[in-house]
Amino acid sequence: DSGVTQTPKHLITATGQRVTLRCSPRSGDLSVYWYQQSLDQGLQFLIQYYNGEERAKGNILERFSAQQFPDLHSELNLSSLELGDSALYFCASSVGVSDSGANVLTFGAGSRLTVL
Amino acid sequence: GESVGLHLPTLSVQEGDNSIINCAYSNSASDYFIWYKQESGKGPQFIIDIRSNMDKRQGQRVTVLLNKTVKHLSLQIAATQPGDSAVYFCAETLSGGGADGLTFGKGTHLIIQP
Repeated sequence: DSGVTQTPKHLITATGQRVTLRCSPRSGDLSVYWYQQSLDQGLQFLIQYYNGEERAKGNILERFSAQQFPDLHSELNLSSLELGDSALYFCASSVGVSDSGANVLTFGAGSRLTVL
Repeated sequence: GESVGLHLPTLSVQEGDNSIINCAYSNSASDYFIWYKQESGKGPQFIIDIRSNMDKRQGQRVTVLLNKTVKHLSLQIAATQPGDSAVYFCAETLSGGGADGLTFGKGTHLIIQP
């Protein structure tokens, strides 16, 4: 168990709909990262929050948005869903730095979104 | 655009043999290179990393090699075990502090033959 909790585990919805994915980082971790994993694009960084503030943005579509709340949990909102949004969405939090100094992320088990 | 990629989508090895998983990167400005392992139904898990000022780093049964001249990264797993079956991703980041997200390659599926 990584300590990062994501809900729901699976979600099936229709095109045009909106969904919200939820993430609770490890206790005490201030950062939350969102990633999308699809067969054709691999793991893509979407967005990062640190202590409630947006810190870095990756390949996140305008139809997608995220926020981090005072209790540090985060939500990723996906709207006007398209078939191509079907993917695994991972949340990660930072567990510290490695011996080399790299930021070490621990990932949740993911939320699998299927858009029909 | 610049990206991190892997040479082979699938690698099959005999249990007990050594495995070598390769990765090519293109962003010469990246300072850290990291290997993650993703088992079926789970999120990626940190294995080992290396900073750009090093060319080799060893962990428990794993070794990462970095060749900046040809922009190549490899992960060597010694005495491969069934539990090593997973998809392995290399990733790069410009900074160690986490101010930017990781750029992942597409992954290599390591299959262990009994």
